[in-house]
Amino acid sequence: GENVEQHPSTLSVQEGDSAVIKCTYSDSASNYFPWYKQELGKRPQLIIDIRSNVGEKKDQRIAVTLNKTAKHFSLHITETQPEDSAVYFCAASLMGASKIIFGSGTRLSIRP
Amino acid sequence: GAVVSQHPSWVICKSGTSVKIECRSLDFQATTMFWYRQFPKQSLMLMATSSEGSKATYEQGVEKDKFLINHASLTLSTLTVTSAHPEDSSFYICSARDWGLAGEKYEQYFGPGTRLTVT
Repeated sequence: GENVEQHPSTLSVQEGDSAVIKCTYSDSASNYFPWYKQELGKRPQLIIDIRSNVGEKKDQRIAVTLNKTAKHFSLHITETQPEDSAVYFCAASLMGASKIIFGSGTRLSIRP
Repeated sequence: GAVVSQHPSWVICKSGTSVKIECRSLDFQATTMFWYRQFPKQSLMLMATSSEGSKATYEQGVEKDKFLINHASLTLSTLTVTSAHPEDSSFYICSARDWGLAGEKYEQYFGPGTRLTVT
């Protein structure tokens, strides 16, 4: 089955700097890669996603890149703000009703 | 976006008792729902996939006789933790995918979670 690895487990950046979180997946059939932000005690919130027919997607300060050959995908947050502090999870899945497998998570802290 | 609700939001029970958690899709039909368990400072671990009208598919290592899943309708799935023990204390989250007519939708919507504490 699918296995998703995520790095780093913790990340601390100065406010205004960029943050990058990287993930790898094992199943070459996976074609949908969402990223979630989870605040303490709350449900995961989808922040951006990418399908395998696209190499890059951007939404304001957030961007995701996908390298299907290497089975890598990354989340980039620019101009970080205090409210970006949270745990971020990458995930991989097949489109449709298939299950989504999560990475281990990255705790992002933004230093003022 | 689609809304998924979960009830209760938190529950405390005594060791040996059973607890039922409900997951509902409020504004869409979910033929498939998923149940996750999340321990403190850990990731979401998929427990099982729940399909309307059929038996749930459990992930490796999840005891199907302990975690009973019933997907009674297109909008309701329930998870029953039977004979709960303190090690079952966790945050349980359900989710559902909004399955478009042509399968073009793929976003997964999460419930708010249920915090179970077994004393």
